[in-house]
Amino acid sequence: EPEVTQTPSHQVTQMGQEVILRCVPISNHLYFYWYRQILGQKVEFLVSFYNNEISEKSEIFDDQFSVERPDGSNFTLKIRSTKLEDSAMYFCASTLGTSGGQRDFGPGTRLLVL
Amino acid sequence: DQQVKQNSPSLSVQEGRISILNCDYTNSMFDYFLWYKKYPAEGPTFLISISSIKDKNEDGRFTVFLNKSAKHLSLHIVPSQPGDSAVYFCAASAGPGGSYIPTFGRGTSLIVHP
Repeated sequence: EPEVTQTPSHQVTQMGQEVILRCVPISNHLYFYWYRQILGQKVEFLVSFYNNEISEKSEIFDDQFSVERPDGSNFTLKIRSTKLEDSAMYFCASTLGTSGGQRDFGPGTRLLVL
Repeated sequence: DQQVKQNSPSLSVQEGRISILNCDYTNSMFDYFLWYKKYPAEGPTFLISISSIKDKNEDGRFTVFLNKSAKHLSLHIVPSQPGDSAVYFCAASAGPGGSYIPTFGRGTSLIVHP
């Protein structure tokens, strides 16, 4: 069964450094998402992406964040200058359509900012 | 602003018994509700959903009940199995005119004891 994959599984970085989190969505899916979960907190929506542009973003997704689909398979989340509070589990998700809210999630990347 | 609330951070149940996970929401625009299950080191996995036009949806051992007037939904697992031990997230999304981006609760950790 096709699944969303994410790399790396863990990343440790110094505050102020740039990180790029990578995702390979399910191949025939058209809508892509990033979510994050700070330890002990709820899963929070960051951004949705469709047709090579951001379709929606949350207040969390400020100028430090950017997303890109550089080729036909990868979907990346870049954090330009990481802060301590960016430490979280970052989940990529994809869907074929938009109805209903169901998402296929990847296993997540655990980001630790020191 | 917690639009989706899971007030019980954890629940412990004996194998074979019923597990009842509860979720409350405040946004009356939500019309589609989902439950996700999450194992450690994995992304959330879609479990079951319900549209606001229904008050019950059943899938094998899993049943979701929706009480719109109380803005409350619950997930029943009968009979509970040790493999059901996971964190369960309730999520809700708004229909046409909304973005369908689901809002997640903080999750309830279910432990099923053999």
